[in-house]
Amino acid sequence: AQTVTQSQPEMSVQEAETVTLSCTYDTSENNYYLFWYKQPPSRQMILVIRQEAYKQQNATENRFSVNFQKAAKSFSLKISDSQLGDTAMYFCAFMKEGNTPLVFGKGTRLSVIA
Amino acid sequence: EPEVTQTPSHQVTQMGQEVILRCVPISNHLYFYWYRQILGQKVEFLVSFYNNEISEKSEIFDDQFSVERPDGSNFTLKIRSTKLEDSAMYFCASNLAGGIYEQYFGPGTRLTVT
Repeated sequence: AQTVTQSQPEMSVQEAETVTLSCTYDTSENNYYLFWYKQPPSRQMILVIRQEAYKQQNATENRFSVNFQKAAKSFSLKISDSQLGDTAMYFCAFMKEGNTPLVFGKGTRLSVIA
Repeated sequence: EPEVTQTPSHQVTQMGQEVILRCVPISNHLYFYWYRQILGQKVEFLVSFYNNEISEKSEIFDDQFSVERPDGSNFTLKIRSTKLEDSAMYFCASNLAGGIYEQYFGPGTRLTVT
């Protein structure tokens, strides 16, 4: 079974600064997908970024980028130029290839401070 | 932009009562999922549905749960006899087939069992 570990329950960052959220996972699969979801206080789950395991290039979406280290089974999220609206829970999630369920980590609560 | 919708946003019910949570997935999506999130905990997979049948379910999805796609648009989760521990946020998600695996989540239904 796959597991996802987020070792930082809470983090804070000053507005306009950069923060990195950690995620590690365990799997015996070779092809899979990794995601970061954001959950603001409204509790809506919002997809932030995704990474295909077969791609060596790290995914980037505007201020959000990942550092994907397949051998180390590590998938960290970097948020640049942090904004107050980035305050939320961030969940790392794993999915086997195919239309399969997401396996989530426990989340990291990020607070952006003015 | 198309989105997954869920009704109601909040449901309060008494222990032992039946509840039906409703979801309207994105119209051209083919795979549908239910997840739940007990307050303060991680998101957990319940069941996935494809081609009018359950494709996968977790150990949480026991005999008190059922899913149905009664027409071409709605996707429902029924809890036959609610327990206090069923109090949680329930999320519906959907995705396309054919290699596009991002799951798009609805806003969730907060279920409170008293």
